Order: sequence, then structure tokens, then C-alpha cells
Amino acid sequence: AQTVTQSQPEMSVQEAETVTLSCTYDTSESDYYLFWYKQPPSRQMILVIRQEAYKQQNATENRFSVNFQKAAKSFSLKISDSQLGDAAMYFCAYRSANLKLIFGQGTELSVKP
Amino acid sequence: GAGVSQSPSNKVTEKGKDVELRCDPISGHTALYWYRQSLGQGLEFLIYFQGNSAPDKSGLPSDRFSAERTGGSVSTLTIQRTQQEDSAVYLCASSLGGTGRSPLHFGNGTRLTVT
Repeated sequence: AQTVTQSQPEMSVQEAETVTLSCTYDTSESDYYLFWYKQPPSRQMILVIRQEAYKQQNATENRFSVNFQKAAKSFSLKISDSQLGDAAMYFCAYRSANLKLIFGQGTELSVKP
Repeated sequence: GAGVSQSPSNKVTEKGKDVELRCDPISGHTALYWYRQSLGQGLEFLIYFQGNSAPDKSGLPSDRFSAERTGGSVSTLTIQRTQQEDSAVYLCASSLGGTGRSPLHFGNGTRLTVT
């Protein structure tokens, strides 16, 4: 069975600085998708970024980018120019070929003004 | 268009009672997921429906939990003989089926409290 591990329960970053959130996963599949979701205190899950495993190029979405290392089964999220509104719980997720989506335990990100 | 709708938003029930949680997915989305999120924890997969295929029930924690999806649209998660450990936020999500690239769209969840 696939598993997703986020080894950082909490992270903190200074406003305007850069922070990287770690995620590793375990799978025997070759075709899959990876996602980062953000959950602010409102509880609403918001898609931040996604990556197809067959693509070597790392996905980017404005200030958000990933470092996808397929061989190492690593999928970290980099947030540049951090803003106060980035404070939230961040979840890494793995989606297998049968479309089941598994989440990591989350990283609580705080942004200091 | 409307997003994923869940009702009720909050539910308080007594231990031993049955509860039903409802999820109305985005129109046209063939995939529907239920997750459980305990306080300060990650999302625990419960069940997944895809079109007319048999659901993936591998995450249901006990036989007190069941879910159905009628007409390929609305879904109901039922918890029988509720226990205090069932207290959590239950999140529903839907996505366009057939491709893993399609992101999940989440509802705002139902906060269940078992007293």
C-alpha cells in the first residue's frame, strides 16, 4: 500500500522569506500524481500545486514550486516570498492509478511578520 | 457554479445514536471521496466511489460505517451506534473521473461531536 510521510509537523518562516516543506512517499507504481493542498483555519481544502510523475519538469504556480525527485520518492514544496496569508496546514497527497488519494499527516506553517 | 456541499455543517449526537452525513458533489463529477479528519490530524481515507464501479471501502474503520451513492450523485455516510472516538470532521470531495490529474474539490466538512 502507498504511504505518504511529512516529517515536519510544524514550520515557521519570516514574511518575504522562502520555506521548503518536505514530503516523501512509498509506492511500487510508476504512474501516479502528486499534490499539495493547503488548509487554512476555515477548514477549506485548497489545491496549491500538482505534479504528474511522468513529467520530469518540476511544476510551478506563481510563488509555489516543487522539487520532484522520482527516484528518491520525494516531493517537496517551496514557497517563495512568504506572505501572512500562506499560514495554514499543508498536506502532501499521492494519487494512484486507481485514483485513490492518500494524504500525509500535514505540516503546520506559521508566517512571522 | 456550486461547489461541493455538505450537510449538516455541525452535528452533535449522543453516544449510541446513528447519524447520516450528506454530500452533494459538483455536477458532472463522477468520483466522490469521504475522509475523516480528527483534531489537528491529517486526512484519513474512508471510501471512494467512481462512476458505476464498486466502491473502494478499504478505509472504513469498522462495520458501523457505511456509505452509499445514489444515482451517481448525492452520497450519504452513515455511522451506526456512534462512539466518542467517531468525533471528527468528515470531509467529502469530488473530481472528474477517469484521470488522476483532476484535482479533488472539497466541501467544508461536517463536524461531528459524540457526547
